[in-house]
Amino acid sequence: DAGVTQSPTHLIKTRGQQVTLRCSPKSGHDTVSWYQQALGQGPQFIFQYYEEEERQRGNFPDRFSGHQFPNYSSELNVNALLLGDSALYLCASSRGGTGYQSNYGYTFGSGTRLTVV
Amino acid sequence: EDQVTQSPEALRLQEGESSSLNCSYTVSGLRGLFWYRQDPGKGPEFLFTLYSAGEEKEKERLKATLTKKESFLHITAPKPEDSATYLCAVHKYGGSQGNLIFGKGTKLSVKP
Repeated sequence: DAGVTQSPTHLIKTRGQQVTLRCSPKSGHDTVSWYQQALGQGPQFIFQYYEEEERQRGNFPDRFSGHQFPNYSSELNVNALLLGDSALYLCASSRGGTGYQSNYGYTFGSGTRLTVV
Repeated sequence: EDQVTQSPEALRLQEGESSSLNCSYTVSGLRGLFWYRQDPGKGPEFLFTLYSAGEEKEKERLKATLTKKESFLHITAPKPEDSATYLCAVHKYGGSQGNLIFGKGTKLSVKP
């Protein structure tokens, strides 16, 4: 059973550029959440997608946007990259949207390491 | 604002030296508390979910407990392969911080 798949694993971009990160959720999961994890910090919630709509959003600027496709996969887009956007971007999948509750937690991918130079 | 605080930030143990990690929280609408293990450059790996005060869960050398204000992750006779960052996260419905609110983690190093 495939877990959460993220691509690419590493990415280097220049300030001002745009980037797209991709996530395929675990089989059976229909909800995707994106997190940003700076070095030495815990993951910070960016937003959550369920039924192809953004359901919740964290305290991130509009430069961060996303999309969910009919097959439940998701993309995270970041425009006008800043040096401070350098981080590990994590995708977590779950079931049932915001009402999710499970004994098995959210399943995380291995992340995309974004470096902005 | 909801908060999750983990202590200590870093912990160095000798192999076999038992200890505990702390996670204190102030959250409205708590649905559960998760512990995750994270290896460098990897995503968090699920360990435990706790739902109510007094609940305990065990897995190999790890035991998680929960009170109304904090959770402990006890590590008994740790081995070098237990070295990782341990993250605590509280689960709630809604809010601008999302469903999972994480602490900053405790970085555990176990020396042989």
